[in-house]
Amino acid sequence: GESVGLHLPTLSVQEGDNSIINCAYSNSASDYFIWYKQESGKGPQFIIDIRSNMDKRQGQRVTVLLNKTVKHLSLQIAATQPGDSAVYFCAENITGRRALTFGSGTRLQVQP
Amino acid sequence: SAVISQKPSRDICQRGTSLTIQCQVDSQVTMMFWYRQQPGQSLTLIATANQGSEATYESGFVIDKFPISRPNLTFSTLTVSNMSPEDSSIYLCSVEGQGTETQYFGPGTRLLVL
Repeated sequence: GESVGLHLPTLSVQEGDNSIINCAYSNSASDYFIWYKQESGKGPQFIIDIRSNMDKRQGQRVTVLLNKTVKHLSLQIAATQPGDSAVYFCAENITGRRALTFGSGTRLQVQP
Repeated sequence: SAVISQKPSRDICQRGTSLTIQCQVDSQVTMMFWYRQQPGQSLTLIATANQGSEATYESGFVIDKFPISRPNLTFSTLTVSNMSPEDSSIYLCSVEGQGTETQYFGPGTRLLVL
């Protein structure tokens, strides 16, 4: 899993490159997963989601991969742009709870 | 997705005082939630705001410290009571999308307690 606390892991990429942000989740009962983007001074913004009966889902420039065997989730961003610079959080929904548990977050920095 | 607003957007408060944060949604929603995001950290669920009944609190959060109201399907308030500097955080409300489990977040309330 990713470290917690004040020092978020940071991924630095060049504009135009592809980015991969990873997330480990702990509860095998989780059946719904969401990726959020949070820009400075704003609330989290929904990017893409995936259910546990799928292992891949694609959106516009983004792809989410789910590996239930190792409880791992990833977000791939194609052709990363400066506007993609933000903190990215994965979140999981545990069956029956209807309330999200968030991962610790990754800061994405896109260099022009 | 629903449009969610929060008031105030930010505030600076003295320790020992209380602040009530409002969350307004532009459509009726069944599920509303309150989260806390401490500086540089991830989001932690405080409670689920239930319409017509008491809120459901997560472990580590109690009603005396974080009383919540949910008078109807478009509005909720969270009060941070008897504040201390450790309560300095971003407080966020979220709603569950109609017919989905996806949660959409408000812009947050940035609270600094001196």
